[in-house]
Amino acid sequence: GENVEQHPSTLSVQEGDSAVIKCTYSDSASNYFPWYKQELGKRPQLIIDIRSNVGEKKDQRIAVTLNKTAKHFSLHITETQPEDSAVYFCAASKGGAGGSYIPTFGRGTSLIVHP
Amino acid sequence: DGGITQSPKYLFRKEGQNVTLSCEQNLNHDAMYWYRQDPGQGLRLIYYSQIVNDFQKGDIAEGYSVSREKKESFPLTVTSAQKNPTAFYLCASSNRLADEQFFGPGTRLTVL
Repeated sequence: GENVEQHPSTLSVQEGDSAVIKCTYSDSASNYFPWYKQELGKRPQLIIDIRSNVGEKKDQRIAVTLNKTAKHFSLHITETQPEDSAVYFCAASKGGAGGSYIPTFGRGTSLIVHP
Repeated sequence: DGGITQSPKYLFRKEGQNVTLSCEQNLNHDAMYWYRQDPGQGLRLIYYSQIVNDFQKGDIAEGYSVSREKKESFPLTVTSAQKNPTAFYLCASSNRLADEQFFGPGTRLTVL
């Protein structure tokens, strides 16, 4: 089955700095890569996702890059703010023809943004 | 608020008792999931269901049971066979297995 590794487990930055979280996956057939943000005591929510037909996607201060050859994808947050402090989860799954399988999640990264 | 609800928010149980966690969605999603979340462990899949009257075991199904009699509902029973049930439980749904998941607010279960 799919295996997703996520690093680092904890990331501490100063407000205004950039933050990068990296994930690797094992199954080259995976083609959907979402990122979820979970604030303390709340539910995880999708913040950005990417499919394997593109290499990069941006949404304001957040971007995700995908390297299919190396089987890794990364979340980039620029100009970090204290409200970015949360746990971030990556996931990988395969959809489309030929069947689909459930997302496999990374273990999460606790991002702390210091004012 | 996302169209998926869980109840109760907090649940206390004595050892040896079974307890059922509720999960309801009005998003017309086919797929539903149950996850367990422990500090530093991420999201671990307990059970999932792609369609009514069908469900599959996830990575940590031992000591848990589910049913999917209606599309909208996917209750989870934590049985007395679950050795360490104290955790935060999240229910989720998606249109299909590989699509974006929508999570419920979670139930925090504490065994006394």
